[in-house]
Amino acid sequence: GAVVSQHPSRVICKSGTSVKIECRSLDFQATTMFWYRQFPKKSLMLMATSNEGSKATYEQGVEKDKFLINHASLTLSTLTVTSAHPEDSSFYICSASPFGARDLYEQYFGPGTRLTVT
Amino acid sequence: GNSVTQMEGPVTLSEEAFLTINCTYTATGYPSLFWYVQYPGEGLQLLLKATKADDKGSNKGFEATYRKETTSFHLEKGSVQVSDSAVYFCATGTASKLTFGTGTRLQVTL
Repeated sequence: GAVVSQHPSRVICKSGTSVKIECRSLDFQATTMFWYRQFPKKSLMLMATSNEGSKATYEQGVEKDKFLINHASLTLSTLTVTSAHPEDSSFYICSASPFGARDLYEQYFGPGTRLTVT
Repeated sequence: GNSVTQMEGPVTLSEEAFLTINCTYTATGYPSLFWYVQYPGEGLQLLLKATKADDKGSNKGFEATYRKETTSFHLEKGSVQVSDSAVYFCATGTASKLTFGTGTRLQVTL
């Protein structure tokens, strides 16, 4: 149980285009989902926290107009990287906290999406 | 904000060897502490956690003790197996946010 999927697992896009990454909780409902970014040999950095049906809360330094997050249902959150540039190339990871979890530290992680912008 | 420092890998051990992966942290207040494991092609999975000083988290033979005086949460296992080969992440939790270390790759050989 508690499986989180991400799609696609890898994506290559051209500079200036937008790309959407999906995060799904497959066997549970998630009121809160998180998006992280990981640079090579660096730690996961929290980008934003999203709650179903409301606007995402972005961490300091993360451009909300560039990284659009939609959490339209209890099982799906999407991250859209708009007007992507090579510096946006990274590994994006989502996690989901189940409805009824004792605290938000109870998170189940997706396997990640490798984005390469050429 | 919080920060987490982990020993750099990779760590290469023979099967049945003793494992220690060091982790130290800086944080305001009293964070919860976590170890996550990531197997190839999979998402991070919670391995163990501790929520207050002197607590010991344990799971699958792994242990870590919350040491407030040294701000450390070192991961140990008495006898590693090939199946323990993975990347291990130490993390703190404060105000419902997780802060991760850079991860330490463990390779266990026969």
